[in-house]
Amino acid sequence: GEDVEQSLFLSVREGDSSVINCTYTDSSSTYLYWYKQEPGAGLQLLTYIFSNMDMKQDQRLTVLLNKKDKHLSLRIADTQTGDSAIYFCAESANSGGYQKVTFGTGTKLQVIP
Amino acid sequence: EAGVTQFPSHSVIEKGQTVTLRCDPISGHDNLYWYRRVMGKEIKFLLHFVKESKQDESGMPNNRFLAERTGGTYSTLKVQPAELEDSGVYFCASSQDPEFTEAFFGQGTRLTVV
Repeated sequence: GEDVEQSLFLSVREGDSSVINCTYTDSSSTYLYWYKQEPGAGLQLLTYIFSNMDMKQDQRLTVLLNKKDKHLSLRIADTQTGDSAIYFCAESANSGGYQKVTFGTGTKLQVIP
Repeated sequence: EAGVTQFPSHSVIEKGQTVTLRCDPISGHDNLYWYRRVMGKEIKFLLHFVKESKQDESGMPNNRFLAERTGGTYSTLKVQPAELEDSGVYFCASSQDPEFTEAFFGQGTRLTVV
């Protein structure tokens, strides 16, 4: 099956930039996603990128995609304590006319005040 | 508008018992998905409904798991009999169209089998 891998933990100081990395194996991915999960809550879609793009920026978030290396990253500028959460990388590919999504293990981001 | 809601939020049961999880999708969403996250591991796909039909159930671990979506509205996921390795957080998501970019997740049900 397809794999999505992420490091488990990242700790940064408030105000610094955070970079969360992800690698995937599916060469036929359509979309790549970043989700955020806060304690006790469901997954919230932060942003996604179409597989033929290499960058997407949305306020403090920058997504970079290196399709050749199958590497996705999420940069959070000016990280705040409210950004502490688990961040899941995911990719989807067409399966019978629908997008089938594969998630990573999640990276727990700890922001130190 | 209400989001995706899941019941219960937590469940602790003994090995061998039966548990039924419920998911109420956003009204009008034809697509309903079940996922599971075992502690510290990746979120794994279980199955996908389109209305009341199972579009893809390739992620269901074994025949102890039974998912239904009668009438194409809410869905239930029954585990019978539960085993220790079934512990984890079960997430439900729904979307109106086939593109997962518009999918919304519930808060999850934390299942602990002791």
